This record gives sequence, structure tokens and C-alpha cells, in this order.
Amino acid sequence: EIVLTQSPGTLSLSPGERATLSCRASQSVSSSYLAWYQQKPGQAPRLLIYGASSRATGIPDRFSGSGSGTDFTLTISRLEPEDFAVYYCQHYGSSPLYTFGRGTKLEIK
Amino acid sequence: EVQLVESGGGLVQPGGSLRLSCAASGFTFSRDSMNWVRQAPGKGLEWVSYISSSSNIIYYADSVKGRFTISRDNVKNSLYLQMNSLRDEDTAVYYCARDKYGDYGMDVWGQGTTVTVSS
Repeated sequence: EIVLTQSPGTLSLSPGERATLSCRASQSVSSSYLAWYQQKPGQAPRLLIYGASSRATGIPDRFSGSGSGTDFTLTISRLEPEDFAVYYCQHYGSSPLYTFGRGTKLEIK
Repeated sequence: EVQLVESGGGLVQPGGSLRLSCAASGFTFSRDSMNWVRQAPGKGLEWVSYISSSSNIIYYADSVKGRFTISRDNVKNSLYLQMNSLRDEDTAVYYCARDKYGDYGMDVWGQGTTVTVSS
């Protein structure tokens, strides 16, 4: 089973700053199978990035994904007030079919 | 508008049963694979179950295998989750989510329905 470790657990930044969120897999995975989600309090998750680096429909270009093998990164180039939320990475595998990381909470400093 | 709307959540005693439904609209439901994902209070996301477009491929998380059954009705554009032998640890918000066609990830989510297992 693939384990996804997200870091940091909490990231405190100010609007306008750059955010870098990490997702590390316990073994090498295909980039095609790595996705990122944003979740705000009381809301369902929203797909941001699929295939490690492709933005989902309607996602602003300040969000970007990168990485390969075991190390993946979600970058938000300039934080907007609406970007403060919890972010999850996800892997599509075999058993279990989908695995989520524990999340990174991005909070306003 | 592409939409998923869950229903059927509620309070149930340990050992009890509940059936969740997810009504799809605004897209060709019969084409897409679907999932159930849950989130315990204050916790992260946990994938629960997957069903392919024609119901011929089904997967479950180990935590629910043998107790939960996923199904769908492509005529009624609906997804279901039959939950039996419920435990305290099944308490969560349950989301239905569409698999992104041709890729890996879940691109449409419902608003969730809350299941509380408690005596």
C-alpha cells in the first residue's frame, strides 16, 4: 500500500506570498496517478491538479503541480484570501484504489 | 449544471443499517465511474468504494469490505451505498464523487451526507 506523507502539517503565510506544499509517496508512483484537492470548511473537496501537473477545469493558473517518482509539490504562486484551506494529495493505485495524504492546512499568518 | 446530490444520512445505532443515495444530473452518468469518499469529524479524506460505469468492476476499502455494498442505476442516474453492521468509526460525512473521465482523480463531488453511528 502506498502511503502519502504531506508536509508541513500547517503552513502559515500571508496573502501575496508563495506557498509550497509537499507530498511524498512511500514508493515511486506514476505521475499520472497523483492529484491534489482543496477543501474549505464545510465544503466538499475540489480537484485542483491531476496527472501531477495538469490543472483541472476552472482552476486559476497561480496553482501549479510538479514532481515525479516519490516527491510531488503543489505551488500557489501568489496567495489570494480564498486560497486558505486544507490541501490533500491523492494517489490512484490498486489496493486501496485511492489513497489520500493527511492534508496540509494553509492558514493566514 | 453538473451536479451530485447525496441523501439518506442520519443517526443509526451500532450494528444498524443505512442506505445512501447520490442523484446525478447535468452529465452522462452511465459513462462515468463513481466513488464514495468519507470524512470523519475533524479528520482527513478516506476513499470507501468505487464502481465502474457498467457496474462490472467494484472495489472497497478494507475498512468496509463485507459490510458495505456499492451499486448504481444508470436509468435513474443514481449511485447507492448500502451500509450494514455499522460501527462508531463509520461516523462521517459521506461524499459521492465522479471519476474524471480518461484520467485519475475525482472531478465532481456532492455536498455530502452525514452518517452518525451512536447508541
